[in-house]
Amino acid sequence: DAKTTQPPSMDCAEGRAANLPCNHSTISGNEYVYWYRQIHSQGPQYIIHGLKNNETNEMASLIITEDRKSSTLILPHATLRDTAVYYCIVRPLGIRFGNEKLTFGTGTRLTIIP
Amino acid sequence: AAGVIQSPRHLIKEKRETATLKCYPIPRHDTVYWYQQGPGQDPQFLISFYEKMQSDKGSIPDRFSAQQFSDYHSELNMSSLELGDSALYFCASSLGTSDSYEQYFGPGTRLTVT
Repeated sequence: DAKTTQPPSMDCAEGRAANLPCNHSTISGNEYVYWYRQIHSQGPQYIIHGLKNNETNEMASLIITEDRKSSTLILPHATLRDTAVYYCIVRPLGIRFGNEKLTFGTGTRLTIIP
Repeated sequence: AAGVIQSPRHLIKEKRETATLKCYPIPRHDTVYWYQQGPGQDPQFLISFYEKMQSDKGSIPDRFSAQQFSDYHSELNMSSLELGDSALYFCASSLGTSDSYEQYFGPGTRLTVT
């Protein structure tokens, strides 16, 4: 799986947009970008995923650069409950066996400041 | 909506004892994953099952074994426990026929070995 690089920590003011970057310069053509987050000691929570087009759901938006070497997760109106470790994970899709595990890197610890 | 259920939520064992952790996936999910998260560390993949067959294996010690049963629940058996086995153990489930193989995590079992 492609390696990802994220800043170790970020702060964001409550109510502002939180923009979390991720570099994945070795991503392959069949690999998707996934974002998960882990609120202190809880189970990781799926946020969003994408291949090459920008994606949006009720939680966040995912912007993937045209060359797919980096992406940005956007939380449009951050709240205190968004304080968590955010993980950017790259993995292939559509392979039934042996490639479904999530490989967590160190992630970005996002702190929302009141 | 139903979520992944893990039991017990907390478990205290002594060195060299055995422990069994249980995971009940979301209804209709056919794939189960186990992850271990040590203190201050990121989750690490242990093992996964699809349709009751082992589908992938990570850094799982030989002292650990797991299986998935006919009702799709899974059990992680840990023997000869060591102090270093103290960790959060997460189970996740997914639907094998979905397009994205999103994994949904349970609340975890906190194992303390004394």
